[in-house]
Amino acid sequence: AQRVTQPEKLLSVFKGAPVELKCNYSYSGSPELFWYVQYSRQRLQLLLRHISRESIKGFTADLNKGETSFHLKKPFAQEEDSAMYYCALSGLGNFNKFYFGSGTKLNVKP
Amino acid sequence: DAMVIQNPRYQVTQFGKPVTLSCSQTLNHNVMYWYQQKSSQAPKLLFHYYDKDFNNEADTPDNFQSRRPNTSFCFLDIRSPGLGDAAMYLCATSRGASGYEQYFGPGTRLTVT
Repeated sequence: AQRVTQPEKLLSVFKGAPVELKCNYSYSGSPELFWYVQYSRQRLQLLLRHISRESIKGFTADLNKGETSFHLKKPFAQEEDSAMYYCALSGLGNFNKFYFGSGTKLNVKP
Repeated sequence: DAMVIQNPRYQVTQFGKPVTLSCSQTLNHNVMYWYQQKSSQAPKLLFHYYDKDFNNEADTPDNFQSRRPNTSFCFLDIRSPGLGDAAMYLCATSRGASGYEQYFGPGTRLTVT
């Protein structure tokens, strides 16, 4: 079964501290991994995807196929990073399968 | 310049009374998706359209139906809502198949009384 696991429901850090939001996946084919973010009272939106290998708002994520992980990292958290973060998986060549993790709420304290 | 619009934002319906949720897009995307999201849970894909081709998820109840009369609009019909169908319903679009970014609407929160 294909599955995306985000083990932490809530992560609280102080401003300026490093952040790592964990995501592990289980997929039998070639996955494409995404991070989506939902700020308060806003719609769900794409933050970054592994295939583009870019840094968005200081966040990066590396796909580790050996550990089947796609953790989201930022070296110095900002208060405006407080939001709900969802890891998601799409199966390449099997596009009607798109799975979200249950989300991690990031709270950055001043 | 809203791209994916959902109406209404809040919908209250009675147990067993059919209800329709609406989604429209200005992106001219080929694919439109409907997700159900219950409190503290992951968005769960119900079904999607690739152009006019309908693709139902295996575990989507028969109570949920969808229509896509044209590229811009997609509807979610719940034929006989139960209390367990109370949730946030998200519409999303993407330009094509896997690997494409999905653009989400703001969601419709459905309450069943």
